[in-house]
Amino acid sequence: DTAVSQTPKYLVTQMGNDKSIKCEQNLGHDTMYWYKQDSKKFLKIMFSYNNKELIINETVPNRFSPKSPDKAHLNLHINSLELGDSAVYFCASSTHGTSGGTYYNEQFFGPGTRLTVL
Amino acid sequence: AQSVSQHNHHVILSEAASLELGCNYSYGGTVNLFWYVQYPGQHLQLLLKYFSGDPLVKGIKGFEAEFIKSKFSFNLRKPSVQWSDTAEYFCAVTPGGYQKVTFGIGTKLQVIP
Repeated sequence: DTAVSQTPKYLVTQMGNDKSIKCEQNLGHDTMYWYKQDSKKFLKIMFSYNNKELIINETVPNRFSPKSPDKAHLNLHINSLELGDSAVYFCASSTHGTSGGTYYNEQFFGPGTRLTVL
Repeated sequence: AQSVSQHNHHVILSEAASLELGCNYSYGGTVNLFWYVQYPGQHLQLLLKYFSGDPLVKGIKGFEAEFIKSKFSFNLRKPSVQWSDTAEYFCAVTPGGYQKVTFGIGTKLQVIP
């Protein structure tokens, strides 16, 4: 069974359109994330949700709106797509806590969605 | 804010050569440290992680990394690379108690048969 899944895998669309990417995790994690990987392979966090609440919101245009209907799902909606939005978007979920006095936080990544804006 | 530096952006090695990829981070407190690998067209896979304990960490596919706290480093090593190790390698850091992971810019490893 896939732990973190994303749909679609590829998305090609025209400038100005609105599109959504879906993410689901079956790991029972409380926290989910969206990352953007640009053409130079640089990975940058965009958003994070913990139990459906937004906890990390980096400097991202407000055309990007995450939505978490429940803690197993984190979707990303993008309005008025621009050429610069072309990238690979990765969803991730994490388990974190403290064990024996040591804090741990491990992320599990989805397969990515390659978005191409024409 | 924490940052992660990977000094080698593109490394080319012949098969059987030894590998060491550098990673330094800037954060003074406790950290979780990770190395991820991304094969061409694939998603990120965890190679190894450090939370606490033995600073020499063994991962999958024969990789290991050593956490040197005094140098804020977590270098990745493999004694003998294979053509199948051709990929992009990312170092990542999470400060203890926080959920935000910061990634380095990645090192592209090319192994020539």
